[in-house]
Parts: sequence; C-alpha cells; structure tokens
Amino acid sequence: GAGVSQSPSNKVTEKGKDVELRCDPISGHTALYWYRQSLGQGLEFLIYFQGNSAPDKSGLPSDRFSAERTGGSVSTLTIQRTQQEDSAVYLCASSPIVNYGYTFGSGTRLTVV
Amino acid sequence: SQQGEEDPQALSIQEGENATMNCSYKTSINNLQWYRQNSGRGLVHLILIRSNEREKHSGRLRVTLDTSKKSSSLLITASRAADTASYFCATDSGAGSYQLTFGKGTKLSVIP
Repeated sequence: GAGVSQSPSNKVTEKGKDVELRCDPISGHTALYWYRQSLGQGLEFLIYFQGNSAPDKSGLPSDRFSAERTGGSVSTLTIQRTQQEDSAVYLCASSPIVNYGYTFGSGTRLTVV
Repeated sequence: SQQGEEDPQALSIQEGENATMNCSYKTSINNLQWYRQNSGRGLVHLILIRSNEREKHSGRLRVTLDTSKKSSSLLITASRAADTASYFCATDSGAGSYQLTFGKGTKLSVIP
C-alpha cells in the first residue's frame, strides 16, 4: 500500500481482556518497529523486526506483550490481560533499510477501562 | 533516560517568524532524524542528518548537527499555521544500532 496501515484506529477494552493490534507496513520495507506513546510523552520502543532475523523484543514491558510478523509483512502486537497502564497510542513504523527514515502509521489508541 | 532531549518543551510564535528547536543527546550516533507529529497520532519523517554532516536543508527546514556538543537544531523559516505540531528528534546509538530513541518533543504553536 501507499503507507503504513494500522487497525483498529481506536480500541476500548475492559481490564483483563486480550487485544490484538495490526500493522500493515509498506510493501518491500524489511524493517518494522512498534512503539507506544503515552499522553504527552515521547515514544517508547517495544519491538523490532528485520527480514527473517529473530526480532529484538528488548523493549516489551512485560510478558503480557508479544508480537509476530508473518511472511515478513503484516505484524500483530498482542497484549494479554490488559491493565490500565497499557492505555496509550501504539505506533507501528516501517523502513526499507535499517536507520533510514521511518514511515509511521496513524496508530491505535488503546484505552483500558 | 532519554537519548534525545528537545528544548524548549513548548514554543509559541507568530506566523511568518522563524522557529528554532534544539535537541541534545548523550551517546555517539550514526544519524539524527527529526519528525513532526500532528494531533498525537502518526509521526512524519522530516529530515535525516548523518554524523559526518554538519548542516542540511529541506525546503523551509534547516538542520544542524554538532557532534562535539552532541546537539542538533531544527530551524523552520517563515512559519505557517500549518506548522503547528510537536517536533521530535530521534537518534540511534551508534554502530550496529537499529533502534531509534525519541525525545519528548517540542510543541510548536504558530499563531495566525
């Protein structure tokens, strides 16, 4: 596609439920990143995928968070047993090569009530 | 702690004036990037400057990099109301790094 697509754009969930956030990167972009942004804060790195290499999961805040990237394209970020502190905007970005400018999606605003 | 820290946190100017935002970082880098964010959603890549470059221009944007001071500045000339947004600098952390670290941003308001 023309840009990075994320879905849903907004998600309200009850505390304790699981959620799945989806990211469709730009076709041909081998690098894919997930970040999250809490209100008024900078971006917090979560996870990075590069081609078929093992992902860098060092930014995931707890074992309730996991992500996968199927076929080197679409990625899903899963948060299990959501907590109120998980409320944030989750941003996905892709780039053609490492450390090139990122193209971001519009994000998923997650609200845990 | 943040690798990149923007300064000031907020800036309000009149349309037509120039806006300058600064970024300081702590460790050596391969490159530094600036992004713009409207309405708390996706970020837009503005410009990338490599560690061996000192200045770069793109339209009304001018970025400087001083690796000896570990600092960068973003200048927006002849600002417009549409430039109202938050601006973030992002840095990698040197050789072999692929992870960008973002600061908390400068919130720019351009008053018509």
